[in-house]
Amino acid sequence: EAGVVQSPRYKIIEKKQPVAFWCNPISGHNTLYWYLQNLGQGPELLIRYENEEAVDDSQLPKDRFSAERLKGVDSTLKIQPAELGDSAVYLCASSPGQKGGSTDTQYFGPGTRLTVL
Amino acid sequence: DAKTTQPNSMESNEEEPVHLPCNHSTISGTDYIHWYRQLPSQGPEYVIHGLTSNVNNRMASLAIAEDRKSSTLILHRATLRDAAVYYCILRDVNKFYFGSGTKLNVKP
Repeated sequence: EAGVVQSPRYKIIEKKQPVAFWCNPISGHNTLYWYLQNLGQGPELLIRYENEEAVDDSQLPKDRFSAERLKGVDSTLKIQPAELGDSAVYLCASSPGQKGGSTDTQYFGPGTRLTVL
Repeated sequence: DAKTTQPNSMESNEEEPVHLPCNHSTISGTDYIHWYRQLPSQGPEYVIHGLTSNVNNRMASLAIAEDRKSSTLILHRATLRDAAVYYCILRDVNKFYFGSGTKLNVKP
């Protein structure tokens, strides 16, 4: 079974440019997460989807970040415009979304490493 | 959000057991304790989880203190492939906080 797929793996852009990341979760997984990971730190949740609904986007900087999950399958995270401080790894994860979410296992993609010059 | 405290780094010799501690003194009754690890240049991967009782799987064991304010991830025989950052996470339905984790170095 294929894991979580992310593209691109690496992206270098100049500040003020837009950038988009794509994620294809594991087939059948209802829940999708986007995380940001700065160097030397643990991942921080940006947004969580249950099917196509964003159920937790409290940590998403909405002035420049946006996300969508059309049809409740793959998802896109966009930054416009990018700033120097956005340089980080952007991780996507999915989980089956079982009842009793406390035991739901998340499966992570390899991430997209963004460098903003 | 409930937080966890882990040592920044630990070192182990290959083929020896490793005990990775985690303190979570503010854990609530419904929080599950999850452990994930992140190998270099990869996304995190699930290791194990538990609520109150000790748990074993093919990757590791999880020992949970009786008051649930701390837990220990046990790797029974560390290999070079176990070198990674290990995250102890408290999980309720709506929260999942990673923290900074413990970087495990395994010496041959």
